[in-house]
Amino acid sequence: ETGVTQSPTHLIKTRGQQVTLRCSSQSGHNTVSWYQQALGQGPQFIFQYYREEENGRGNFPPRFSGLQFPNYSSELNVNALELDDSALYLCASRLGGARETQYFGPGTRLLVL
Amino acid sequence: GENVEQHPSTLSVQEGDSAVIKCTYSDSASNYFPWYKQELGKRPQLIIDIRSNVGEKKDQRIAVTLNKTAKHFSLHITETQPEDSAVYFCAASKPPGSARQLTFGSGTQLTVLP
Repeated sequence: ETGVTQSPTHLIKTRGQQVTLRCSSQSGHNTVSWYQQALGQGPQFIFQYYREEENGRGNFPPRFSGLQFPNYSSELNVNALELDDSALYLCASRLGGARETQYFGPGTRLLVL
Repeated sequence: GENVEQHPSTLSVQEGDSAVIKCTYSDSASNYFPWYKQELGKRPQLIIDIRSNVGEKKDQRIAVTLNKTAKHFSLHITETQPEDSAVYFCAASKPPGSARQLTFGSGTQLTVLP
């Protein structure tokens, strides 16, 4: 196991609602990235946080937002949920700087009805 | 931005045979190439990675090769076992200074037949 945990494991929401997903990074990892993995596809980069600031974003609209806390836990918030937001949401942590290896959490499976 | 293409999408091999999965990337600035294995309903797990200053790396039955000129890299699994059955993803990322996002391929479903 990687030491990265996520909650909840599964979630069902309806279109238009808001959702908050949580990630606890591996100890000492100051960089966290969030990915969206649709069924049958590879993970797609949403954004990255380093020392509590967003420092990179993929091709996702502003209704996808995040937070990182001093203890390196983080949140992904999605507003105005759409059916296409149904996916597995993965967080991945790494030591930061020049260290590339990212360690994934188990993911949160989100279903939007 | 970076684009990673992965082939084949499905691969079936007999137990004991070798499996090869190939990826190409578009951005010559990419310098880190990990491979992840994802079993059904589980997290992606790093199985091997390679940096652009190295042409080949081995770890027991798994090896990865990188051709920077052609911008492609490959995963080789020898003496396959049923527990190797999973989806394999290649990925690429760029040096520090960027977000170091991983751009993933679309995955290869590997099935090892007993």
